[in-house]
Amino acid sequence: NAGVTQTPKFRVLKTGQSMTLLCAQDMNHEYMYWYRQDPGMGLRLIHYSVGEGTTAKGEVPDGYNVSRLKKQNFLLGLESAAPSQTSVYFCASSQLGWGTDTQYFGPGTRLTVL
Amino acid sequence: GENVEQHPSTLSVQEGDSAVIKCTYSDSASNYFPWYKQELGKRPQLIIDIRSNVGEKKDQRIAVTLNKTAKHFSLHITETQPEDSAVYFCAASYNNNDMRFGAGTRLTVKP
Repeated sequence: NAGVTQTPKFRVLKTGQSMTLLCAQDMNHEYMYWYRQDPGMGLRLIHYSVGEGTTAKGEVPDGYNVSRLKKQNFLLGLESAAPSQTSVYFCASSQLGWGTDTQYFGPGTRLTVL
Repeated sequence: GENVEQHPSTLSVQEGDSAVIKCTYSDSASNYFPWYKQELGKRPQLIIDIRSNVGEKKDQRIAVTLNKTAKHFSLHITETQPEDSAVYFCAASYNNNDMRFGAGTRLTVKP
C-alpha cells in the first residue's frame, strides 16, 4: 500500500495564478483532511471531508476550495494564489473521525507564491 | 473554539536524560489528545495518544499524562536518544469536528 500520496511535491506560483493539489489514499478511509503548516504555528486545518461527496470548512478555509468526487481522492484548489498561501500543505486520512482513529499524513507539498 | 498552547518551543537534553513537553487546552469538551513527531522535511507521525477517560498511557520510553481538571497533558520521553530529535506536536480534538494543534516543540538530544 502506498498509504497517502500528494501531488505535486513542490510548486512555485505567481500571485493570482491557480492550481490544484491532489491527495490520494489507498486505505479506503472515509475521512480526509487538508492542513497547512507554517513556521511556529503547527498544523491548521483548512478543509475536511467525512465521506465521498462531502466537504466541510476547518479553521482556515478562506482562499481555498475542495472537492471529494471519489472516496480515494481529495483535491485542494487555490483559485487566485496569494503570498500568504506560501506554506507546506499536508493531506491526511483516517477511517473514523477525530477522537476515534489515527490520522495518516501524506509527504507534503511545499508551495511558494511569489 | 479550542486553543492549544505548547511549551517549551525548544528543548535540548543530553542523551539518556528525560524530556517533558506540556500542552494546555481550553475546551473542556475535548476528549482526544494525540502527539505527533515530525522529523525534518518529513510528514507528522502519530507516536502516542490518550483519550479523556484515561489518565496515563505508556509505550516503551514514551508516556502521556492527562489532567482533565487542569486541562493539560504532557509527553514524557525517558532515556532519550539522538534519533528522538525532532519537532513534537500535541493536539486536542474539539467536539469531534475539529482538531487543533500546538505550535510544536523542537527537541534536540545531544550525544
